[in-house]
Amino acid sequence: DTEVTQTPKHLVMGMTNKKSLKCEQHMGHRAMYWYKQKAKKPPELMFVYSYEKLSINESVPSRFSPECPNSSLLNLHLHALQPEDSALYLCASSHGQWNTEAFFGQGTRLTVV
Amino acid sequence: AQKITQTQPGMFVQEKEAVTLDCTYDTSDQSYGLFWYKQPSSGEMIFLIYQGSYDEQNATEGRYSLNFQKARKSANLVISASQLGDSAMYFCAMREGLRRSGYSTLTFGKGTMLLVSP
Repeated sequence: DTEVTQTPKHLVMGMTNKKSLKCEQHMGHRAMYWYKQKAKKPPELMFVYSYEKLSINESVPSRFSPECPNSSLLNLHLHALQPEDSALYLCASSHGQWNTEAFFGQGTRLTVV
Repeated sequence: AQKITQTQPGMFVQEKEAVTLDCTYDTSDQSYGLFWYKQPSSGEMIFLIYQGSYDEQNATEGRYSLNFQKARKSANLVISASQLGDSAMYFCAMREGLRRSGYSTLTFGKGTMLLVSP
């Protein structure tokens, strides 16, 4: 099983809403990632969790709040987003070593209205 | 400075022909991994092929091969016998051995959009 599952696939939310993105993997990977991708651009790293602890936060605004409840699950809580936050949000997981690939989910297409 | 450079914003190829997508990288690390991902319009990033810095032979995975020239710091993707389903965005990426905050992360190039015509 090399699958990373993300839900929902599409999300439309208002600027005052609170919503959560979910990500799940069962490959025994101890590293999980959130990326943000704007149209026709490469993914940009937001957060890295290693062994369920936040290892990297790429200066992401606090309206994005990650959570790793266990080694298989990763959430991204969204609150008071701006229209410019509309993007494809990708979750990925991997082993930690430099010579291992990361597996990505299908992403959540988020639109903030 | 960019760590991964993909100089071809778009490439066109006819079905059944081979195509090469360029990628150059910049690192001072001895240990690093180079990866190619395919991203169709659906959005999922699909892992295609991997080349490690210590690997002496070029990686191959089915119709995909990686032309690794270490001295030139290039890792070009070659797709043989293109198919219509190969139309997608292709990203070259690198993971370095040097660890920041205890972890090595993927750095992506800007991508190349490949269109395969009948």
